Amino acid sequence: GAVVSQHPSWVICKSGTSVKIECRSLDFQATTMFWYRQFPKQSLMLMATSNEGSKATYEQGVEKDKFLINHASLTLSTLTVTSAHPEDSSFYICSAPGTSAYEQYFGPGTRLTVT
Amino acid sequence: AQTVTQSQPEMSVQEAETVTLSCTYDTSENNYYLFWYKQPPSRQMILVIRQEAYKQQNATENRFSVNFQKAAKSFSLKISDSQLGDTAMYFCAFMKLSGTSYGKLTFGQGTILTVHP
Repeated sequence: GAVVSQHPSWVICKSGTSVKIECRSLDFQATTMFWYRQFPKQSLMLMATSNEGSKATYEQGVEKDKFLINHASLTLSTLTVTSAHPEDSSFYICSAPGTSAYEQYFGPGTRLTVT
Repeated sequence: AQTVTQSQPEMSVQEAETVTLSCTYDTSENNYYLFWYKQPPSRQMILVIRQEAYKQQNATENRFSVNFQKAAKSFSLKISDSQLGDTAMYFCAFMKLSGTSYGKLTFGQGTILTVHP
């Protein structure tokens, strides 16, 4: 089956710095990828839709300037958390659709801790 | 906007027994998919089962089956012969099939299921 990877799996950064999270589709191309945020023992909340070759589409309430998304190629999307603060600490998960949209392949997630 | 509600924050079941997780949703759409995902302690999201709204027949996947009541907007998951490996957080999710929401998933709050030996 299709595989989506994320890197890093866990990152610790200091408050005020920026951190980049990568999402890659390893054996298929994805013109669209989705970024979700999950707090401990809570639901996944869609943050944005990453579109290859165009700007990302952000969900209501998500700060575009804080969560920068770049879909650099058909296999790579990146999420950069700028000027991170402790409240940005969370689990970030990406997904990419397969041949059909109902086939969603999830990355293993990235745990971000801001100190 | 679509909403998905899971009213059971936690459930427990004995190994080999059957458990049902509840999910209700609200939408004005007619064409959509419903899903149950499992998130074990590794936090990797795993698809358990999928239901297409236009299909009246309830989906089944081995020990997992759903009770899809479209008019009532209800989508419960039944796990038969529960196994220790079923211990996880389970999410009900909705996907609209039209417009700009294509491919986006709306998740319920999740139900933590613990299977006891």
